[in-house]
Amino acid sequence: DVKVTQSSRYLVKRTGEKVFLECVQDMDHENMFWYRQDPGLGLRLIYFSYDVKMKEKGDIPEGYSVSREKKERFSLILESASTNQTSMYLCASSLSGEGDTEAFFGQGTRLTVV
Amino acid sequence: LAKTTQPISMDSYEGQEVNITCSHNNIATNDYITWYQQFPSQGPRFIIQGYKTKVTNEVASLFIPADRKSSTLSLPRVSLSDTAVYYCLVGTYNQGGKLIFGQGTELSVKP
Repeated sequence: DVKVTQSSRYLVKRTGEKVFLECVQDMDHENMFWYRQDPGLGLRLIYFSYDVKMKEKGDIPEGYSVSREKKERFSLILESASTNQTSMYLCASSLSGEGDTEAFFGQGTRLTVV
Repeated sequence: LAKTTQPISMDSYEGQEVNITCSHNNIATNDYITWYQQFPSQGPRFIIQGYKTKVTNEVASLFIPADRKSSTLSLPRVSLSDTAVYYCLVGTYNQGGKLIFGQGTELSVKP
């Protein structure tokens, strides 16, 4: 089974802290994604990566950065956490291709910034 | 990027067939249509995917008309455990391809 593992299920951080959310996938997928999910807003794409060291902005990249030094690992970084970044964060990965593939999601990290 | 529009919520009763329609008027030639299901406190999971006509698997059916500007997810004989949010996703998984989710449809199945 494909597994996408996020480093923490729940996280509480203070305003202004630098926060790292880690995601690891074990199926040699080229594509990796970071989303945040808030009530009534669905899943919003923050950043994605289609190869090592490659990254593309999603719809809401402000206040975030990412790192992909190895194919299996995609990190989301909150440079200076703020209370409006309190949210559920979801990582996903997929093979690259026209179709006949799917995205696999991790269980999510519920981040609270106080 | 193809934008999707779905109903925000739907109610159903156990044993009924549920059809959720998604509009995607500016779907591109290479785009596939994928549906995901999400339970509370979990990540979304793949249900079904299609390009045109009809696709069926053990969980659901997906109907896509010839113009591909909409699609309908059909869940036969729903049970309480089908209560979830359903997302329609249109795009490709190509290198550099974004996966943009809409707001999803919150399905509530009642006894």
